[in-house]
Amino acid sequence: DVKVTQSSRYLVKRTGEKVFLECVQDMDHENMFWYRQDPGLGLRLIYFSYDVKMKEKGDIPEGYSVSREKKERFSLILESASTNQTSMYLCASSDGRANVLTFGAGSRLTVL
Amino acid sequence: AQSVSQHNHHVILSEAASLELGCNYSYGGTVNLFWYVQYPGQHLQLLLKYFSGDPLVKGIKGFEAEFIKSKFSFNLRKPSVQWSDTAEYFCAVNADGGAGSYQLTFGKGTKLSVIP
Repeated sequence: DVKVTQSSRYLVKRTGEKVFLECVQDMDHENMFWYRQDPGLGLRLIYFSYDVKMKEKGDIPEGYSVSREKKERFSLILESASTNQTSMYLCASSDGRANVLTFGAGSRLTVL
Repeated sequence: AQSVSQHNHHVILSEAASLELGCNYSYGGTVNLFWYVQYPGQHLQLLLKYFSGDPLVKGIKGFEAEFIKSKFSFNLRKPSVQWSDTAEYFCAVNADGGAGSYQLTFGKGTKLSVIP
């Protein structure tokens, strides 16, 4: 089975801190994604990457950046965390354009 | 850009009742359609998908969905729900080919509560 591992399940950070969320997949998938999930808003795409060192903005990229230096790893960076970035962050990967996503367990970030 | 609308925010059913969750999308071209499910405390996982062919697709755990192109709909159905179907269900769409192929757009989700 494809496994997508998010390094942190729960994080608590302070406003203004730099936050790194790490995601690793073990099935050689080309595409990787970061979503945030908020009650009543569903999943919203932050960034995605279809190849190493490639990145594309999703629907809500403001306040976030990403890094993909290796195929298996996709990092989400909050340069200066704010309280409105308190959310559940989901990483996913897929092979090819059909976008059958495999999700990680999620990282719940609280910004105080 | 594509968008997805799920009609119900929260559905409450008794066991053995029939289920239909509505999903409509807006996109003018060819699409791929998905239903994902998130059971309490678990990862999001694929329930079923439609790429082409027979518009009635069957997924895991007795779920099925029908793609009606003329109505831009992809409703999820199950004839008899069980308590274990309690979960949140997300409809999703992406464009088949072209610039939007990588972007899977999700609806806001429908919470299903099944009462024993």
